[in-house]
Amino acid sequence: QVQLQESGPGLVKPSETLSLTCTVSGGSISNYYWSWIRQSPGKGLEWIAYIYYSGSTNYNPSLKSRVTILVDTSKNQFSLKLSSVTAADTAVYYCARGDYVWGTGTNFDRWGQGTLVTVSS
Amino acid sequence: DIQMTQSPSSLSASVGDRVTITCRASQNINNCLNWYHQKPGKAPELLIFAASSLQSGVPSRFSGSGSGTDFTLTISSLQPEDFATYYCQQSCSSPPTFGQGTKVEI
Repeated sequence: QVQLQESGPGLVKPSETLSLTCTVSGGSISNYYWSWIRQSPGKGLEWIAYIYYSGSTNYNPSLKSRVTILVDTSKNQFSLKLSSVTAADTAVYYCARGDYVWGTGTNFDRWGQGTLVTVSS
Repeated sequence: DIQMTQSPSSLSASVGDRVTITCRASQNINNCLNWYHQKPGKAPELLIFAASSLQSGVPSRFSGSGSGTDFTLTISSLQPEDFATYYCQQSCSSPPTFGQGTKVEI
């Protein structure tokens, strides 16, 4: 059973960079899309970005200028960096596995438990 | 971005009730529609993908239908563990987008 686990600081100062890592266990990181999704009371569920195991990426245009997503297949991990954070970036951040179904796109079939990141000085 | 609108925003139901939640897309998404539920403090879980395909391990009381812009999630007989918030998500166009959620309460 594939499991995902987020890790990283729970508190980030305004204007700094949020950094999170997702560790995938119980299965290979190959052949799937790996996403970051966040959830805040004000904006609901918001997809941030995905990376394919090969390294190709896709970003939400609303965040693209501030986001970097990377994969490390040797460690079965992928990571998120979100720069110049503000209070509006306070949210629960989830990592998720994207399963591409031909003709119907990618669904998110495995999720991490989520980690709350608060942006505050 | 494709906007996803769910209705109702919340509903009250009893164990054994048949429950229907609707999701409308702002443009045609064929059958690129997925449903999730989320319990408090937990991550969302995939229930239905491709509008009507049941995810492995999900009870058969859950079903999905629809195509184009209008979709429905039905719970045929509500169980205590089904009290949660339900979300639809379109997967046809990037960025993938979610509905605002429907909270199913006792």
